[in-house]
Amino acid sequence: EDQVTQSPEALRLQEGESSSLNCSYTVSGLRGLFWYRQDPGKGPEFLFTLYSAGEEKEKERLKATLTKKESFLHITAPKPEDSATYLCAVEGSSNTGKLIFGQGTTLQVKP
Amino acid sequence: DTAVSQTPKYLVTQMGNDKSIKCEQNLGHDTMYWYKQDSKKFLKIMFSYNNKELIINETVPNRFSPKSPDKAHLNLHINSLELGDSAVYFCASSQDSTGGAFFGQGTRLTVV
Repeated sequence: EDQVTQSPEALRLQEGESSSLNCSYTVSGLRGLFWYRQDPGKGPEFLFTLYSAGEEKEKERLKATLTKKESFLHITAPKPEDSATYLCAVEGSSNTGKLIFGQGTTLQVKP
Repeated sequence: DTAVSQTPKYLVTQMGNDKSIKCEQNLGHDTMYWYKQDSKKFLKIMFSYNNKELIINETVPNRFSPKSPDKAHLNLHINSLELGDSAVYFCASSQDSTGGAFFGQGTRLTVV
């Protein structure tokens, strides 16, 4: 069964304090790993798609990396506006078209 | 322009009522989805349609019935609402039946 576990559940950082969020997954035949950002009261906002181990993607202060068992979302010198819940999801070959989500990591960045 | 839009944003209704949530996407995508987010923020897929054809139908009570009049619209009708149906329902779309999806702003359903 495809499964996604994110850690930590909650993370508090000071502005400028870099850190990483973890997404561990088990999937039969990874078709893609996806990162989303969700602000309170809003829908998930698409950030990145990673397809194979070793792949990296960057956007502003965010960098996503992928291995065969996990993905990391690195946040460099975060700002208060980076505060949100970050969701990780996978799509496996046995569940085409179905995103399996983790429970999310809620990030709070204090000024 | 809003890419994926849902109406209404909030819905408060009594147990036993029937209600519908509408969704429209202007991205030209072929596939649309309904996801449910529970009180613990856990997102789970309910249905997906590709070009008006039902592709994914998860273990969802028969009281939930999706309808896709065309590939830009996917509505969700819920009969005989129960307290446990209270959640946030998200519509989403993607270019094909694989890949990352773009989500609407959600409909918060509260059954009292």
